[in-house]
Amino acid sequence: DSGVTQTPKHLITATGQRVTLRCSPRSGDLSVYWYQQSLDQGLQFLIQYYNGEERAKGNILERFSAQQFPDLHSELNLRSLELGDSALYFCASSVGTSGGETQYFGPGTRLLVL
Amino acid sequence: KNEVEQSPQNLTAQEGEFITINCSYSVGISALHWLQQHPGGGIVSLFMLSSGKKKHGRLIATINIQEKHSSLHITASHPRDSAVYICAVRFGNEKLTFGTGTRLTIIP
Repeated sequence: DSGVTQTPKHLITATGQRVTLRCSPRSGDLSVYWYQQSLDQGLQFLIQYYNGEERAKGNILERFSAQQFPDLHSELNLRSLELGDSALYFCASSVGTSGGETQYFGPGTRLLVL
Repeated sequence: KNEVEQSPQNLTAQEGEFITINCSYSVGISALHWLQQHPGGGIVSLFMLSSGKKKHGRLIATINIQEKHSSLHITASHPRDSAVYICAVRFGNEKLTFGTGTRLTIIP
């Protein structure tokens, strides 16, 4: 158990809908990272938050947005869903933001868009 | 372009064999991570390296900065080591870039 929690574990929805994925980091970790893992693209970095502020942005679509709240939990919002958004979404947390630290991964949310 | 390549893509071995998985990258990095993804999907961080060598149990990770290459070794492999092993590198202050993974299967 990494100490990072993600909800829900599974999500099935239809094209055009919107969903919210939630992540709670390990106690004491200030950074939260979001990753997408699809069959054809592998793991890709989406976005990082550090202590409530956006820190780095990766291959995140405009239809996707995220935020980190004062209690440090984070939410990833996906709207106007398309079939290609079906993937495993992971969040990870680390103490700081240097990139040279261990990241602890949550169990992932499996999203299926029909 | 910052690239990460892993080899082999798939590896099947007998229990007890010594395993080596390789990761090469295109330009200088600030950190390299080895991750293990279990068949159920969960990801565990195994090592973070910026130089030298690290060991944890039967796992050893090495990095050669000059050759831009890292290896993950598993000694006395066991069926429970069957997983996908992913190399991820951080180029400077940029985001993590992931390799495509090596699927390891250990046969009893």
